[in-house]
Amino acid sequence: QKEVEQNSGPLSVPEGAIASLNCTYSDRGSQSFFWYRQYSGKSPELIMSIYSNGDKEDGRFTAQLNKASQYVSLLIRDSQPSDSATYLCAVNLGGGADGLTFGKGTHLIIQP
Amino acid sequence: GAGVSQSPSNKVTEKGKDVELRCDPISGHTALYWYRQSLGQGLEFLIYFQGNSAPDKSGLPSDRFSAERTGGSVSTLTIQRTQQEDSAVYLCASSFSGLAGGGETQYFGPGTRLLVL
Repeated sequence: QKEVEQNSGPLSVPEGAIASLNCTYSDRGSQSFFWYRQYSGKSPELIMSIYSNGDKEDGRFTAQLNKASQYVSLLIRDSQPSDSATYLCAVNLGGGADGLTFGKGTHLIIQP
Repeated sequence: GAGVSQSPSNKVTEKGKDVELRCDPISGHTALYWYRQSLGQGLEFLIYFQGNSAPDKSGLPSDRFSAERTGGSVSTLTIQRTQQEDSAVYLCASSFSGLAGGGETQYFGPGTRLLVL
């Protein structure tokens, strides 16, 4: 049974600070990892994808992957009120035949 | 099209009725996915199409659920004899080929909000 675990929050962070979102996964064979952002009543939109151990940066966002610890995280620098949303961690085993396994998401609130 | 489209955007039905949900993927995307998001729950993967073929249907919640895709484009998800527990947002996503070891970005449509009374 593939599982993806996230702290549901809410995680409250002051504007301008760094928000740190964490995710663990159970399937050691997982190959692809994604962070999606979902605003209330909207569909998920991709923020970052990461496939190799280490850090991947894109603007204010940094994804970190540690396959040995089965851990993936998302850092948001200079947090803005518009970053307030639910962040979904998603994992794909690989092979192209599976859909994504999602965590239940972390609700992030950026306080002005 | 510019993005994944789904119809209807909202559907209210009575328990026991059949419903059909439609997904039109991004033009040129051969892989299509259906997910379900229930209140307070994460997204649950239902089924995946590579072209018109669905290699694995084990994610469908029950035999009341079926999906098909014709012409390698539009897909329909059908729920027969709907139950109240079927109430959820049904999301469709597509990716370019579905063959890149699962590493492709999946782009989501706006979803169909289904309410079974």
